[in-house]
Amino acid sequence: AQSVTQPDIHITVSEGASLELRCNYSYGATPYLFWYVQSPGQGLQLLLKYFSGDTLVQGIKGFEAEFKRSQSSFNLRKPSVHWSDAAEYFCAVGTFGGSEKLVFGKGTKLTVNP
Amino acid sequence: EAQVTQNPRYLITVTGKKLTVTCSQNMNHEYMSWYRQDPGLGLRQIYYSMNVEVTDKGDVPEGYKVSRKEKRNFPLILESPSPNQTSLYFCASRRDRTREAQYFGPGTRLLVL
Repeated sequence: AQSVTQPDIHITVSEGASLELRCNYSYGATPYLFWYVQSPGQGLQLLLKYFSGDTLVQGIKGFEAEFKRSQSSFNLRKPSVHWSDAAEYFCAVGTFGGSEKLVFGKGTKLTVNP
Repeated sequence: EAQVTQNPRYLITVTGKKLTVTCSQNMNHEYMSWYRQDPGLGLRQIYYSMNVEVTDKGDVPEGYKVSRKEKRNFPLILESPSPNQTSLYFCASRRDRTREAQYFGPGTRLLVL
């Protein structure tokens, strides 16, 4: 069965510092991977997605993620964090054919200190 | 503006009182889905629909019903709500069977007393 692990439940960084949020997945076929962000009281907004091709994908708000098949990872990065990036971040793997769904990780809550 | 809307956004009800949470999208998407979000569990899929009159169970369908009579609407029905259905519910839609991202509604926070 497909699964997604986000090892860090909560991360705190200082504004201006770099950020890396970890995501590991388990999926037998070629994965379709997503990062979503959820601000407090809001729905989920798509940050970026990986389907194929270049393993470094760029997203909105200055985020990028790198797909590493050998490590089954899809880590999210940002070179310089802004206070407005404080939110919860979810990694997800898409399953298609048969049961069509997104399998989500449990999320990483990001706190940004001034 | 392209969007997924849900109503109501907040709902307090009592055990056993039937309720419906509506979901509507204006993007002509074929695929729609319902998720629930619970602390420490992330988001889990309840039901999904590939097109009009085509629905299927997700991971946690017990206690829920759905219908897809029109392409734009995908209501979630709780025939006899129980306290363990207290949760944050999200509706989502996607264009079709292609590997596109899903777009999420703003969420409905439900409290069942």
